[in-house]
Amino acid sequence: DAGVIQSPRHEVTEMGQEVTLRCKPISGHNSLFWYRQTMMRGLELLIYFNNNVPIDDSGMPEDRFSAKMPNASFSTLKIQPSEPRDSAVYFCASRTGLAEETQYFGPGTRLLVL
Amino acid sequence: SQQGEEDPQALSIQEGENATMNCSYKTSINNLQWYRQNSGRGLVHLILIRSNEREKHSGRLRVTLDTSKKSSSLLITASRAADTASYFCATCPPGTYKYIFGTGTRLKVLA
Repeated sequence: DAGVIQSPRHEVTEMGQEVTLRCKPISGHNSLFWYRQTMMRGLELLIYFNNNVPIDDSGMPEDRFSAKMPNASFSTLKIQPSEPRDSAVYFCASRTGLAEETQYFGPGTRLLVL
Repeated sequence: SQQGEEDPQALSIQEGENATMNCSYKTSINNLQWYRQNSGRGLVHLILIRSNEREKHSGRLRVTLDTSKKSSSLLITASRAADTASYFCATCPPGTYKYIFGTGTRLKVLA
């Protein structure tokens, strides 16, 4: 079975550019989570969706960050404009539902903003 | 701040030895999970222990939970080079669906 799919795997961009990260959750999983991982701050939850609806976006650092889930098989995390401090690895994770405990992580997108 | 804090931050052992890492958390929990992250990869779920359980085993993994001390430990027995990875605990406070991850322990198993 395909796991959580993220694209791109690596992204290098210049400050001020728009960045869009993509995630395809495991089929049948109704809950999707976006995390950011840095050496300084560890793994931070940015936002999560349930049945395509954003439930909690309190972890989104700034208005420059936005996330959407137009359907059950696709979500995007957008940064506009990007800044060097946004450099991190961004993970998407899914699970069957909010009541289910086990999360399945994608391979991550390594973002470098110059 | 992080819900979970692991210690040690880094651990280096010889193949065949046991590795123990600890996690402390701050609030009450429904359950606690341990995840492994290989370099450059996503996190992989290892084991879950519920708040009413004290110990759980899965293969070479043994997890204990002490809710009175708000701490958990992960023991990997007979370690292998392939166990080299970072290990994270994750907790979910009651009333939320958000898992909060600790700072991680970097384990290196030397062949």
